[in-house]
Amino acid sequence: DAGITQSPRHKVTETGTPVTLRCHQTENHRYMYWYRQDPGHGLRLIHYSYGVKDTDKGEVSDGYSVSRSKTEDFLLTLESATSSQTSVYFCAISESRRTGAYEQYFGPGTRLTVT
Amino acid sequence: KNQVEQSPQSLIILEGKNCTLQCNYTVSPFSNLRWYKQDTGRGPVSLTIMTFSENTKSNGRYTATLDADTKQSSLHITASQLSDSASYICVVSFHRSGYSTLTFGKGTMLLVSP
Repeated sequence: DAGITQSPRHKVTETGTPVTLRCHQTENHRYMYWYRQDPGHGLRLIHYSYGVKDTDKGEVSDGYSVSRSKTEDFLLTLESATSSQTSVYFCAISESRRTGAYEQYFGPGTRLTVT
Repeated sequence: KNQVEQSPQSLIILEGKNCTLQCNYTVSPFSNLRWYKQDTGRGPVSLTIMTFSENTKSNGRYTATLDADTKQSSLHITASQLSDSASYICVVSFHRSGYSTLTFGKGTMLLVSP
């Protein structure tokens, strides 16, 4: 998994509680991403980061916030979890986002269940 | 709207047989096309990346083709093995303000049976 770890790997939480997922990389890549994967959908981008303290929204960012205080760590926070946020969350990294065939590497995923 | 459609949704083949997975896209302006393999419970892993000028690319028993005129791609798996059982995801990249944004297909679930 290209030097990417995610924690926790599995989590069950109740509706309305805050949840933070962590992504840690050892590759020193500039870009980091959070995706969610749901049955019947392709992977969808939630947020991404292009440097420390530099983040931007993806296509499904409502209900999520992110932070990046160090190059190696990218946190995804659900301020008040809802059942619609039950999903598998993947972190990814890349050296570049410039137009071209840059590689994007994915972490092992976190399975989140909101009851 | 940029879309990536994959077919079939699922496929079962016998070990040792060949198979071909299809990907059609409406992404514009096109940058490149990728195929990923995702084993159950794991993150996607890149198999191939093809730019506009490439129409074939191989990675071992995996061969991807790209027809940018018809906006179609295929992934051919030769002499399948049990370890090929996985979801195969087609991903198309498009330009936006000098950056490349990825659009993911829903994947084809392949089961290789002994």
